[in-house]
Amino acid sequence: RKEVEQDPGPFNVPEGATVAFNCTYSNSASQSFFWYRQDCRKEPKLLMSVYSSGNEDGRFTAQLNRASQYISLLIRDSKLSDSATYLCVVGFRGSADGLTFGKGTHLIIQP
Amino acid sequence: DTAVSQTPKYLVTQMGNDKSIKCEQNLGHDTMYWYKQDSKKFLKIMFSYNNKELIINETVPNRFSPKSPDKAHLNLHINSLELGDSAVYFCASSQDAGGNTIYFGEGSWLTVV
Repeated sequence: RKEVEQDPGPFNVPEGATVAFNCTYSNSASQSFFWYRQDCRKEPKLLMSVYSSGNEDGRFTAQLNRASQYISLLIRDSKLSDSATYLCVVGFRGSADGLTFGKGTHLIIQP
Repeated sequence: DTAVSQTPKYLVTQMGNDKSIKCEQNLGHDTMYWYKQDSKKFLKIMFSYNNKELIINETVPNRFSPKSPDKAHLNLHINSLELGDSAVYFCASSQDAGGNTIYFGEGSWLTVV
C-alpha cells in the first residue's frame, strides 16, 4: 500500500524563525518527490521538486533520504505569507498511478 | 490564460440529483485527473485519463463517471448525489502519467443538502 505520512501540526512559528518538517513514504520504489503548498480554500500548487542530492530554492531547502524513506522541507527566515499547508507528494515514474499526496502539515507563522 | 480551468466553482444541490463538473487544460498535457478533497483535507485520486483512456479507477462509487471528449477535457458526472459526496473536487493535469508534476484547477466546491 502506497502511503505518505506527515505530522498534521499545526506548527506555530514566530516570523523570522526557521522551521522544518518531514514526511515518510512507505513504497521504496518511489522515484519522484515534491512539496506542494495549499492555501486555505485554494488548490495545491507546486512548491518545489525534491532531488536525490537535495536542492534549494531561495529560503526553501528540500532533502531526500532514500535509505530512511523520508523527505524534509526547511524554511528559513519564515514570512507571514509562508502560512499554509505543505503537502508531501510521491510519484512513480513510468507508473499510471499519478502522484500520492500526504495529508499535509499546517504551518502558521505568527507576527 | 488559466492552465487548468474547471466549472462550476461552487455547486449546491439536493440529494438524489445528477450533476456534472467540467474541466479543461490548455497545457497540451496527455494526462488528466480528478482528485477529491474531503472535510479532513485528505486529497485522494479518483480517476486519471491518458490519451482518452482511463488508466486509474480508484474504488469510487460507480455513480461517478469521468468523460473525456478529447485529451484537453475531462468532465466528471455524478449520479444520485449523496450527502457524503460533499467535498472539493480538483481537476488536474500532467505531461504524462509518469509521476511528473501535476497542475491543479481551482477546485469545485460541491455541497449536497
